[in-house]
Amino acid sequence: NAGVMQNPRHLVRRRGQEARLRCSPMKGHSHVYWYRQLPEEGLKFMVYLQKENIIDESGMPKERFSAEFPKEGPSILRIQQVVRGDSAAYFCASSPMVAPTGELFFGEGSRLTVL
Amino acid sequence: QQPVQSPQAVILREGEDAVINCSSSKALYSVHWYRQKHGEAPVFLMILLKGGEQKGHEKISASFNEKKQQSSLYLTASQLSYSGTYFCGTDLYTGTASKLTFGTGTRLQVTL
Repeated sequence: NAGVMQNPRHLVRRRGQEARLRCSPMKGHSHVYWYRQLPEEGLKFMVYLQKENIIDESGMPKERFSAEFPKEGPSILRIQQVVRGDSAAYFCASSPMVAPTGELFFGEGSRLTVL
Repeated sequence: QQPVQSPQAVILREGEDAVINCSSSKALYSVHWYRQKHGEAPVFLMILLKGGEQKGHEKISASFNEKKQQSSLYLTASQLSYSGTYFCGTDLYTGTASKLTFGTGTRLQVTL
């Protein structure tokens, strides 16, 4: 059973471009979470999705950021018009059940660098 | 509300013990512990649920004081492989949606 797959692992963008980060959860997992981690800092919650639904997006900036988890295909975190402050590692985690009762399985992360 | 972890960093010699603490100002449903090595994904260690249930790796022990909203992770007879940053994650789950809010982490370095 493959783990959580994230791609790309590394992404370089110039200011003003768009970044698309993909996350394929583990088989059978319908809960997906996105976290952002700045260098030497902790994991900041961004958004929690279930298939075709955004459950909690309270940690996601209201402008330029969006997330989806379609019925078919991976979850996508989209950052429009990137700025240098968006440079970070973005981790996706999946779970077969609601988070409080089970572990989260994290992907290896996508490291975004904005020039 | 981000949980507070202490200490921020600790250095151990192999074989020594350490305790990492996590506290919250909110009533918690569960506390999770993860370890992250540099440049890698966080890895699950343990979950402690309201009511006393625990799930996790056999060699890891932790406690959850529901009255004080505090949890402690106990690392005994430390090994070099224990090095990394330890994060506690807290969930306020009230029956609907939930999310884990992570603390700022505790850096552990185990030396020979």
